[in-house]
Amino acid sequence: AQSVTQPDIHITVSEGASLELRCNYSYGATPYLFWYVQSPGQGLQLLLKYFSGDTLVQGIKGFEAEFKRSQSSFNLRKPSVHWSDAAEYFCAVGSGTYKYIFGTGTRLKVLA
Amino acid sequence: GAVVSQHPSRVICKSGTSVKIECRSLDFQATTMFWYRQFPKQSLMLMATSNEGSKATYEQGVEKDKFLINHASLTLSTLTVTSAHPEDSSFYICSATSGDAGNQPQHFGDGTRLSIL
Repeated sequence: AQSVTQPDIHITVSEGASLELRCNYSYGATPYLFWYVQSPGQGLQLLLKYFSGDTLVQGIKGFEAEFKRSQSSFNLRKPSVHWSDAAEYFCAVGSGTYKYIFGTGTRLKVLA
Repeated sequence: GAVVSQHPSRVICKSGTSVKIECRSLDFQATTMFWYRQFPKQSLMLMATSNEGSKATYEQGVEKDKFLINHASLTLSTLTVTSAHPEDSSFYICSATSGDAGNQPQHFGDGTRLSIL
C-alpha cells in the first residue's frame, strides 16, 4: 500500500541551527514528491517538488530536499533555521491520478 | 503565480444551516480541484476530487449528500456543507492543479474554519 511516514511529530531547534525533517514513502512506481509548509490557521504553501532528474532539489525560503530511491526517502533540509520557519511541515507523494498521500506532519519549533 | 483563493476564511453558523465555500484559481486554469478536511493537529484528509464539468469523485466514507461539490468552471469549485451539525466543524482546505499527467503540484487555498453552534 502507498504510504508516507514522517517519523518526527515534533522537532525543536535553535535559531541558526541546521534542520533536517525526515520523510519516507512507500510507492510502487517513481513517485512525485512534495514538501509543503503550513502556518497556523492557514493553507499549505509549496516549498519544493521532485518529479525527475537531479535528486537534490532546491526550494523556496532556503530549503532543499534530496530524493534517495534506495532509502525511499525525501528529507527536507535547511542549513540555518530562522524563527519564521516555525510551522507544520508536510511531505506528500503524488500519483498519476493527481491524488496526494500526505504524511502526518512535523511541527517545528524554533528557539530564540 | 499559481494563486488559489478560498472564501470565506471563517464561518460561524447555527446547526441545520447550509454553508457554501468557494475555491478559485486566480491566475491559472484548474483542471482538477480537491477538497480536504483537517482536524486539529492532524494531517489533511482528502474528501473529494472534482474536474470541471463532471461529477466529483468522493473518497470512501464521505457523504455525497452532505458535502455537495460543484466545479462549474476551470477557475471555480464550491463545497456546500448541507444541514451542518457540530460534528461538521473543521478546517476545510481546497487545492487546485493544472496538470495533465499528475506531474503538476497542487496549490492550496488558505482554508475555511467552519464552526457549527
